[in-house]
Amino acid sequence: EAQVTQNPRYLITVTGKKLTVTCSQNMNHEYMSWYRQDPGLGLRQIYYSMNVEVTDKGDVPEGYKVSRKEKRNFPLILESPSPNQTSLYFCASSYGPWYEQYFGPGTRLTVT
Amino acid sequence: SQQGEEDPQALSIQEGENATMNCSYKTSINNLQWYRQNSGRGLVHLILIRSNEREKHSGRLRVTLDTSKKSSSLLITASRAADTASYFCATAGTQGGSEKLVFGKGTKLTVNP
Repeated sequence: EAQVTQNPRYLITVTGKKLTVTCSQNMNHEYMSWYRQDPGLGLRQIYYSMNVEVTDKGDVPEGYKVSRKEKRNFPLILESPSPNQTSLYFCASSYGPWYEQYFGPGTRLTVT
Repeated sequence: SQQGEEDPQALSIQEGENATMNCSYKTSINNLQWYRQNSGRGLVHLILIRSNEREKHSGRLRVTLDTSKKSSSLLITASRAADTASYFCATAGTQGGSEKLVFGKGTKLTVNP
């Protein structure tokens, strides 16, 4: 089954404690991206990757890092989380930015 | 900006009625897409309409695109309670020399049984 998986689905952590949210897709897509969704602000892109070892900033990259060492995986790293990073995070993959996007189920992160 | 803006922000209708949501944008686009999101879940792609297309159908969904007015509409006919969700338009265009897909803030649709 074609899918995008994210882990964990829910995470409560404290300020400053490094965390990683994993994302994996099984559709051989070149393009992967991370979004955060906040009430009233819609979906905002954090980072994207056009292919292995090629990543670039989206609209709200501050406080986040990503890596793309393998085509299927695109982890999101928060080196020092802060309460303003409390949000619902989505990973997505596709053949390119203009194509149909396949979204993961989301990770709800709370930073206290 | 390229970002689409949906209208209305919220819509409440009775089962069996039609639901119409609109999306307006400001710059030229390659295509426009509509997505559905059930509460707190991942977005699901519904339909993609290219800039040279005017209308597209998929089941009970009908999407129109008017590039001269820079607007699109999503019509859901004979709505069901299961159609209750948020609906987002996303515009595919170029920003700062890069290909981008930018999402609007969504329309929250409630279908009452």
